[in-house]
Amino acid sequence: GENVEQHPSTLSVQEGDSAVIKCTYSDSASNYFPWYKQELGKGPQLIIDIRSNVGEKKDQRIAVTLNKTAKHFSLHITETQPEDSAVYFCAAPEGANAGGTSYGKLTFGQGTILTVHP
Amino acid sequence: DAGVTQSPTHLIKTRGQHVTLRCSPISGHKSVSWYQQVLGQGPQFIFQYYEKEERGRGNFPDRFSARQFPNYSSELNVNALLLGDSALYLCASSYLNSPLHFGNGTRLTVT
Repeated sequence: GENVEQHPSTLSVQEGDSAVIKCTYSDSASNYFPWYKQELGKGPQLIIDIRSNVGEKKDQRIAVTLNKTAKHFSLHITETQPEDSAVYFCAAPEGANAGGTSYGKLTFGQGTILTVHP
Repeated sequence: DAGVTQSPTHLIKTRGQHVTLRCSPISGHKSVSWYQQVLGQGPQFIFQYYEKEERGRGNFPDRFSARQFPNYSSELNVNALLLGDSALYLCASSYLNSPLHFGNGTRLTVT
């Protein structure tokens, strides 16, 4: 099965700085890599995702990069704000796409607690 | 638009009891997945249902079971509760080949 490693476990930055969270995965057949943000008392919220046919995707202050050869992907947050403080999770699906349902079975990283100080 | 809704939000049970958790997916979503999130860890996959059929099962004992109804809502059942079953149980729904959208979960405490 898929194994996802996420680093760092905690990250503290000053408002306005950039934050980078890195993940590695084990299954070379994985083709979809989402990032989720989880605030206290809430479920994970999808913030960005990338499919294996592209190397980078941006959405305003958030970007994700993918290196399929090295089997790692990273989340980049620029101009961080206090409201970015949360736990961030990377994930990868189990195995190759099987009838389009494998996106429902994700293996998550251990999470990164991001704290942005005003 | 209504997101994924789960009930109840909190639940306290005693060891050995049975629990049923409920989930209503986003309208139009036919796939429902269940995850267990222990404090301080990432969610762990339990089940996926698509069109009322089980499409995947994680590494959980047979005490865990689930089903999906014709309206695509779903139930997760856990029998013979153990202290270690205390966790946040998350439900997520999706279209085919689309990202998962999570509910806010049911916090289960087993005493």
